[in-house]
Amino acid sequence: DIQMTQSPSSLSASVGDRVTITCRASQSIVMSLNWYQQKPGRAPKLLISGASSLQSGVPASFSGTGSGTDFTLTISSLQPEDFATYYCQQSYIAPYSFGLGTKLEIK
Amino acid sequence: EVQLLESGGGLIQPGGSLRLSCAASGFIFNNYAMTWVRQAPGKGLEWVSATSRSGDRTYYADSVKGRFTISRDNSKNTLFLKMNSLRAEDTALYYCTRGVGAVGAPGYFHGMDVWGQGTAVTVSS
Repeated sequence: DIQMTQSPSSLSASVGDRVTITCRASQSIVMSLNWYQQKPGRAPKLLISGASSLQSGVPASFSGTGSGTDFTLTISSLQPEDFATYYCQQSYIAPYSFGLGTKLEIK
Repeated sequence: EVQLLESGGGLIQPGGSLRLSCAASGFIFNNYAMTWVRQAPGKGLEWVSATSRSGDRTYYADSVKGRFTISRDNSKNTLFLKMNSLRAEDTALYYCTRGVGAVGAPGYFHGMDVWGQGTAVTVSS
């Protein structure tokens, strides 16, 4: 099974900051990497699929890059509504494992 | 409006069984793979199971393989998760999700774009 290692596990930042979250797969998943955002008490929301394809309605401040085993999620300028927990997920082959999450908090 | 509505959760004793249901509406159900994802209290997301559009192919996390069974009734736009031999570590909020693409073939599945609000399962004596 493919293991997903996400870092950091938590991150403090300010409104307007640029932040990057990384995700590493234990083997190549080509570009089958998805990013989700979850706010407290809410269901997760798909932000990016296929490593870099932004879902409809997701602000352009979010971007994803990477291929093979190493991937990044970047938020170019943090907005108050971006403070949440972010998860990566590989969808290359089942079981479609998630990373442990990155909690993005306000500094 | 695209919607997924889970039901069937509750308090169950260890070793017991439960069947979760997910009623889909607002989209053509048999055009989509479907999955279950769970989240233990205060913990991260854990992918549990997936089924193909027709239901002929199913996939499971190692932690539930042999105990859980995913199925679907495309005539009723409903997804199910039958859970047997429940353990304390199965306690979680269970989300029904709509898949993007086809499960099974490497590289053809692109995540889950619609999520229900979840149904809570508590396994405790």
